[in-house]
Amino acid sequence: ILNVEQSPQSLHVQEGDSTNFTCSFPSSNFYALHWYRWETAKSPEALFVMTLNGDEKKKGRISATLNTKEGYSYLYIKGSQPEDSATYLCAALDPGYQKVTFGIGTKLQVIP
Amino acid sequence: DSGVTQTPKHLITATGQRVTLRCSPRSGDLSVYWYQQSLDQGLQFLIQYYNGEERAKGNILERFSAQQFPDLHSELNLSSLELGDSALYFCASSPSSKNEQYFGPGTRLTVT
Repeated sequence: ILNVEQSPQSLHVQEGDSTNFTCSFPSSNFYALHWYRWETAKSPEALFVMTLNGDEKKKGRISATLNTKEGYSYLYIKGSQPEDSATYLCAALDPGYQKVTFGIGTKLQVIP
Repeated sequence: DSGVTQTPKHLITATGQRVTLRCSPRSGDLSVYWYQQSLDQGLQFLIQYYNGEERAKGNILERFSAQQFPDLHSELNLSSLELGDSALYFCASSPSSKNEQYFGPGTRLTVT
């Protein structure tokens, strides 16, 4: 099982601020990376699936980049809104058995 | 609504008992995943099935077993339950391992 780390574990930002957080994974054993958004009392929802080094994906004000050579992905939120408050999870899949390892998540709170 | 259904929503049972959690994937999805989320823990991958066959195994205890039936629904069986098995159990589905996963609403298991 891969070692997937996310930082920071929690984050408070003011409404309107932009923010970013990191997911790191072993670069030597990579198949794909997923980002999920998990609101309290709901289920995780997929944001992005990323497989290629240099991938950049965007959905509204949220975007993500992937660096498979150094083993990290960044998630960016531009102009944070209170409805962005959630835990953001990344999950790495290894090529051999395609096991999924989730990071512990970054809990984002956007203060109005 | 992700299209993934899980039953029951809540389950309260005593130590030593056995329970079965059920998951119906999204229409057309062949992969089913099971996860456990204990208090203050991240999502722990338990097991994945693809089109009826076990594809990958995570940190699943020997007391736990799962299967995927010909109609693609899946069941997770938990036996000789312990207090520490109290958790939220999520099922997710996807067309294949590369694709993002769609999570069900979860089954909250409480072992007393």
